[in-house]
Amino acid sequence: ETGVTQSPTHLIKTRGQQVTLRCSSQSGHNTVSWYQQALGQGPQFIFQYYREEENGRGNFPPRFSGLQFPNYSSELNVNALELDDSALYLCASSSPPRGSGGELFFGEGSRLTVL
Amino acid sequence: AQTVTQSQPEMSVQEAETVTLSCTYDTSESDYYLFWYKQPPSRQMILVIRQEAYKQQNATENRFSVNFQKAAKSFSLKISDSQLGDAAMYFCAYRKHNTNAGKSTFGDGTTLTVKP
Repeated sequence: ETGVTQSPTHLIKTRGQQVTLRCSSQSGHNTVSWYQQALGQGPQFIFQYYREEENGRGNFPPRFSGLQFPNYSSELNVNALELDDSALYLCASSSPPRGSGGELFFGEGSRLTVL
Repeated sequence: AQTVTQSQPEMSVQEAETVTLSCTYDTSESDYYLFWYKQPPSRQMILVIRQEAYKQQNATENRFSVNFQKAAKSFSLKISDSQLGDAAMYFCAYRKHNTNAGKSTFGDGTTLTVKP
């Protein structure tokens, strides 16, 4: 069974640039969610994708967007980067999406630094 | 909005001893799930234990157990016979029943140090 993998593991960008982070879900999982974890804080829910549609969103501006592909992998895109976007971005997969109480399976994260 | 509070930023325990990590949460819902996740340094976050709010019995998983007090909205984690591998950041998380599985609310974590 393949776990959740994320790429890249580390990256540095400058203010105003755009970034794309990638995630492959755990085998058999059709739901992917993204979290932002700032230094010293807990993960904050960005959004979730199920069957290639956004299926729930946290309190993040529209410049945070995403995609899910037919193989359930996902991308997180952030436009017009700001210094406060510096964080660890976590991808988590699960199945099914609603009400099961199932655990989230996390990747190791992508650490983004915005200068 | 639901909130999760972990009031202990750091805790330490001697190897083989017992430690309890605290978590309180605020919700108006009656049906929900509570979780403890472990995040070792530079490694993936993994589930430690899960509690369903409608179950009165406290969850246990080997050396890990919880004290779930629904009326007090308290959900503490007890680690017995602590091992060096237990050193990590621990997050308490809440999820409303029948909501998107990925939409969980996390506390800010407790860093646990295990002393040999």
